[in-house]
Amino acid sequence: AQSVSQHNHHVILSEAASLELGCNYSYGGTVNLFWYVQYPGQHLQLLLKYFSGDPLVKGIKGFEAEFIKSKFSFNLRKPSVQWSDTAEYFCAVSDNAGNMLTFGGGTRLMVKP
Amino acid sequence: EAGVAQSPRYKIIEKRQSVAFWCNPISGHATLYWYQQILGQGPKLLIQFQNNGVVDDSQLPKDRFSAERLKGVDSTLKIQPAKLEDSAVYLCASSDVQTGSYEQYFGPGTRLTVT
Repeated sequence: AQSVSQHNHHVILSEAASLELGCNYSYGGTVNLFWYVQYPGQHLQLLLKYFSGDPLVKGIKGFEAEFIKSKFSFNLRKPSVQWSDTAEYFCAVSDNAGNMLTFGGGTRLMVKP
Repeated sequence: EAGVAQSPRYKIIEKRQSVAFWCNPISGHATLYWYQQILGQGPKLLIQFQNNGVVDDSQLPKDRFSAERLKGVDSTLKIQPAKLEDSAVYLCASSDVQTGSYEQYFGPGTRLTVT
């Protein structure tokens, strides 16, 4: 069975600070990797995804993530956060057919203006 | 494009009662998912449908939970009887795997409180 660990449950940053949220997964085969975000009062939505190719993927709103296969990691980064990035962020992994999407426990980010 | 619709948005019931949730996926999406999200945790997949067939229900507590998608479009998730630990947000999602995107589109969820 696959599992996903997000190391930080709560993160508080000031605007313009850099962000890195950790994500590690365990799975024996080829995986698809995702970051989803849930802004206050809104639905879960896709931030970015990795299927294959360039391990550095860029998503919406200036976010990016790097897949490091040897470390089973898919960390999320943003060079300069904004107050509007306040949200809960979820890392998720599926098998390569898109099945069995497994989420991490989430990281709640608060950005202070 | 209309999103994933779910109803009701909120439900409060007593333990041992039954409850049902409804989901209408995005038009044309063949794959439909139900998740349970307990407060402070990430969503946990309960069941995945491809059209009207079940792809995976390994994490569905089948002694009390059931789900159906009879016509391959909308779906119903039922809990009977409910327990206190079933208090959670129940999320429905859909995807069009034929595009190779595997992106899941989530509905607003149904917040269930069992007292």
